[in-house]
Amino acid sequence: GAVVSQHPSWVICKSGTSVKIECRSLDFQATTMFWYRQFPKQSLMLMATSNEGSKATYEQGVEKDKFLINHASLTLSTLTVTSAHPEDSSFYICSVMARGISEKLFFGSGTQLSVL
Amino acid sequence: GENVEQHPSTLSVQEGDSAVIKCTYSDSASNYFPWYKQELGKRPQLIIDIRSNVGEKKDQRIAVTLNKTAKHFSLHITETQPEDSAVYFCAASRWGNTGKLIFGQGTTLQVKP
Repeated sequence: GAVVSQHPSWVICKSGTSVKIECRSLDFQATTMFWYRQFPKQSLMLMATSNEGSKATYEQGVEKDKFLINHASLTLSTLTVTSAHPEDSSFYICSVMARGISEKLFFGSGTQLSVL
Repeated sequence: GENVEQHPSTLSVQEGDSAVIKCTYSDSASNYFPWYKQELGKRPQLIIDIRSNVGEKKDQRIAVTLNKTAKHFSLHITETQPEDSAVYFCAASRWGNTGKLIFGQGTTLQVKP
């Protein structure tokens, strides 16, 4: 299957700071990436769809100015949590649509964010 | 909006027994239904998927059935083993359109040795 790398795997930050999370597809070009958030013992909630070279599409209720998404190349999408607060503490995970390979979605390893 | 309901939320079985998890989706245009297994703190792993042109798919001890008319699909695990213990998520998507997955709430499966 496709290889998706996500970095960092965990991060602890102070309230008010910004955190950037990277998602890379290592062995294929990804025109579309998805960002999910997962709170403890809950399901994965789609935050936004990231399209290479264009603005991300955010799901209802997700603040686009707080969760900045940049998909500047076919192999990299970044999610920046701006002015993080304790309620933003969560497991953030990206997924990549592998068209032409297996028509499946592959997930990154996830980032556990803890905001103090 | 699109919604996927998953039941049960927890399931406990004895090793060797079968486990069944059921999901219902709301978007009649959904055509791709994957199942993921997630262990604590790790990424979801695709275990099996089915497309809308097929009613059943099997891979060793795992099978998925789809009823498009009723808009529900199920995961069947036979001869369960302790290592099957994890959280299982169903999802639905309009593949070929956006590829956006809508997940069910998850089922925590415990297989007792």
